[in-house]
Amino acid sequence: GAGVSQTPSNKVTEKGKYVELRCDPISGHTALYWYRQSLGQGPEFLIYFQGTGAADDSGLPNDRFFAVRPEGSVSTLKIQRTERGDSAVYLCASSRGMTETQYFGPGTRLLVL
Amino acid sequence: RKEVEQDPGPFNVPEGATVAFNCTYSNSASQSFFWYRQDCRKEPKLLMSVYSSGNEDGRFTAQLNRASQYISLLIRDSKLSDSATYLCVVNPGNTGKLIFGQGTTLQVKP
Repeated sequence: GAGVSQTPSNKVTEKGKYVELRCDPISGHTALYWYRQSLGQGPEFLIYFQGTGAADDSGLPNDRFFAVRPEGSVSTLKIQRTERGDSAVYLCASSRGMTETQYFGPGTRLLVL
Repeated sequence: RKEVEQDPGPFNVPEGATVAFNCTYSNSASQSFFWYRQDCRKEPKLLMSVYSSGNEDGRFTAQLNRASQYISLLIRDSKLSDSATYLCVVNPGNTGKLIFGQGTTLQVKP
């Protein structure tokens, strides 16, 4: 079946701009996660949703970052006033339930110039 | 101190070699443990879960030592296709949040 999909695959933007990154989880998966991976590092947790609600947003670095999942399926990660330090691969994952195996999407490569 | 620490390597080994990776974690209350594999410019994929009793999947063996807060991965008879980054992963509280190590890079040479 279809895996986790993320769009766009690459995004180049200028410092100060607003970006939205989209994640389509595996059908039927109730839990959805966002991670950020910088070059040479492991993924870093940002936020996860159980259904429509954010169950843990402790990894969001500051209030420029926000994520939604209004219907409990697709999620959007929103970054306001982008900074060069936001450049990274943004990974989305989904799982059947909170403690089940997480399956990752291919990521969105964000470059802030 | 990082929550999950790994030697980034790289580990360069010949085909057929046995190689071991280690990882330590700081949160003694951590509930579950995994090894993920990540190929260059690809997403991480679950390689195996790690259990207290140790577990094996073909050429791969994972061990957990809760007293020392230490996790290991052993790869026997290395193949060229094993070349990748191996990520040590901890779930600190049986929630959805995974904590990843930096990853250890393995390069298997002919």
